[in-house]
Amino acid sequence: RKEVEQDPGPFNVPEGATVAFNCTYSNSASQSFFWYRQDCRKEPKLLMSVYSSGNEDGRFTAQLNRASQYISLLIRDSKLSDSATYLCVVNMEGGSYIPTFGRGTSLIVHP
Amino acid sequence: ETGVTQSPTHLIKTRGQQVTLRCSSQSGHNTVSWYQQALGQGPQFIFQYYREEENGRGNFPPRFSGLQFPNYSSELNVNALELDDSALYLCASSLEGQGHYEQYFGPGTRLTVT
Repeated sequence: RKEVEQDPGPFNVPEGATVAFNCTYSNSASQSFFWYRQDCRKEPKLLMSVYSSGNEDGRFTAQLNRASQYISLLIRDSKLSDSATYLCVVNMEGGSYIPTFGRGTSLIVHP
Repeated sequence: ETGVTQSPTHLIKTRGQQVTLRCSSQSGHNTVSWYQQALGQGPQFIFQYYREEENGRGNFPPRFSGLQFPNYSSELNVNALELDDSALYLCASSLEGQGHYEQYFGPGTRLTVT
């Protein structure tokens, strides 16, 4: 089993749709979690941190479920400009620092 | 505020050669991490430098080595290049070591090994 797993998609949704991605992780010692967005042939850009209490930034909501070891990203009212690959990253800290990225989930928003 | 910069943007090398990639961290950041991203994959962590010391290392062989300088800029060196080393190499800077703080990525260096 991979340490961090994401459904590669692509998720093909119409404008205005709500779409959700999950990211599962295998190491229960993981302590910090993030979502990044990566456009084609560009660098990843931080989208949001993920906190145990959940957090929201406009149309984006991130949740962490430690018991089931997954994080989620919900995008409401999808825009064409949301088309990108969404990467989750899981960090284990306090000893050997090894951040682990998922392979990413591709989102295509069409008119 | 100056963002993360990397040089060169593209590079073509021959198998067996050596390469040095450079990264300047974002202003105020003292930590640099290096990643290798193959096509269709997520970034794979190579190592991190925090205050000029290696602070963590992924599953990469010793021919991948690095340095961080007093101004927090960094180099990634790869010896004895192999065809599989062809990838996008990303550096990311953050405020402190470990992973609690968000990382900001540079545009990457695309390395092709022939």
